[in-house]
Amino acid sequence: GNSVTQMEGPVTLSEEAFLTINCTYTATGYPSLFWYVQYPGEGLQLLLKATKADDKGSNKGFEATYRKETTSFHLEKGSVQVSDSAVYFCALINTGFQKLVFGTGTRLLVSP
Amino acid sequence: DSGVTQTPKHLITATGQRVTLRCSPRSGDLSVYWYQQSLDQGLQFLIQYYNGEERAKGNILERFSAQQFPDLHSELNLSSLELGDSALYFCASSRDRSSYEQYFGPGTRLTVT
Repeated sequence: GNSVTQMEGPVTLSEEAFLTINCTYTATGYPSLFWYVQYPGEGLQLLLKATKADDKGSNKGFEATYRKETTSFHLEKGSVQVSDSAVYFCALINTGFQKLVFGTGTRLLVSP
Repeated sequence: DSGVTQTPKHLITATGQRVTLRCSPRSGDLSVYWYQQSLDQGLQFLIQYYNGEERAKGNILERFSAQQFPDLHSELNLSSLELGDSALYFCASSRDRSSYEQYFGPGTRLTVT
């Protein structure tokens, strides 16, 4: 079946530190991959996506590259801000299916 | 703001009761999805509607049902509520049945006491 595995949180960083949140997936076929972010008390926002191997999704300084050989889609940001504190979800949609399959989420805490 | 609206924001009810959650998709979106977010199960897909018809079903209990109306808004009905149904229920919408970008509403927090 399809599944997504994310690193356990919380991830605690100081402002301006480098961020990596690991995500690996299991899927048949060629899924599209996503990162969603959930700020406290809010719904999920689409952060970035990649639809095929070697694609790089980017938005608001965040990046992730679709690596088929390692079945990974790690989220990175060069310099985090306090306002980036949130829960980050890695997700996939497999070809022919419309449901998003989510990882368990990783909480990021950034201190000044 | 994603453009997806959900009401109510919070709902507190007792076991055995029935509730209805409402969702209005983004303007122009034809597909509506329902997801449940709970501490033990994480984020799980429940059901999808496209232009009024059921398109895909996930881990939705028989006590739960949904529909999408001609104006494209959707309702999720939860009946015979149990304590374990307490969760955040999200609605998402997308442009068509094949679109991979889903936009989420703010959610309805259901508490069953």
